[in-house]
Amino acid sequence: AQKVTQAQTEISVVEKEDVTLDCVYETRDTTYYLFWYKQPPSGELVFLIRRNSFDEQNEISGRYSWNFQKSTSSFNFTITASQVVDSAVYFCALSDRGKLIFGQGTELSVKP
Amino acid sequence: NAGVTQTPKFQVLKTGQSMTLQCAQDMNHEYMSWYRQDPGMGLRLIHYSVGAGITDQGEVPNGYNVSRSTTEDFPLRLLSAAPSQTSVYFCASSYRDRGLETQYFGPGTRLLVL
Repeated sequence: AQKVTQAQTEISVVEKEDVTLDCVYETRDTTYYLFWYKQPPSGELVFLIRRNSFDEQNEISGRYSWNFQKSTSSFNFTITASQVVDSAVYFCALSDRGKLIFGQGTELSVKP
Repeated sequence: NAGVTQTPKFQVLKTGQSMTLQCAQDMNHEYMSWYRQDPGMGLRLIHYSVGAGITDQGEVPNGYNVSRSTTEDFPLRLLSAAPSQTSVYFCASSYRDRGLETQYFGPGTRLLVL
């Protein structure tokens, strides 16, 4: 069965700290897609990144970076020098032909 | 493109009432799906469709019906609303092209069942 686990329910950091959100997935598919979404207090889902299963290259986008490791079935997300605006719920998701299996989400609180 | 649109944005129902949540996309995406979001539960798949005329159940399908008569529309019907269906509902559409999958979400519908 496919499954996504985000073991960290809540994380609280002080502004400018680095923070890593963990995501572990399970799938028997050889081709799959992984996503990270941000859900701010306003409620919409904001797409952050997509990763194909055959592309293990890590990615950096500004203060955000993602570490994809197939050997450990993990797709972790790091925010460098966190800011108050980063406060949100972050979801990791696994795709199976258009269906997304979501983790339970990690609520990040960045305090000034 | 309007992307993925959902109506209504907010709805209050009484137990036993029925209603349809509308979802439309104008991007000619083959895949569409419905999710519900409950506190502490993340988003769970209700129903999905891989193309017009094809639908299947997700993780939590009970109490909901769907149909996909066109590529653009994927309505979600609540047959007899129950307080347990109080939730935020998200519709999504997606496609795969040259090894990339792209997902688009609607803004959500907040449903309160009294």
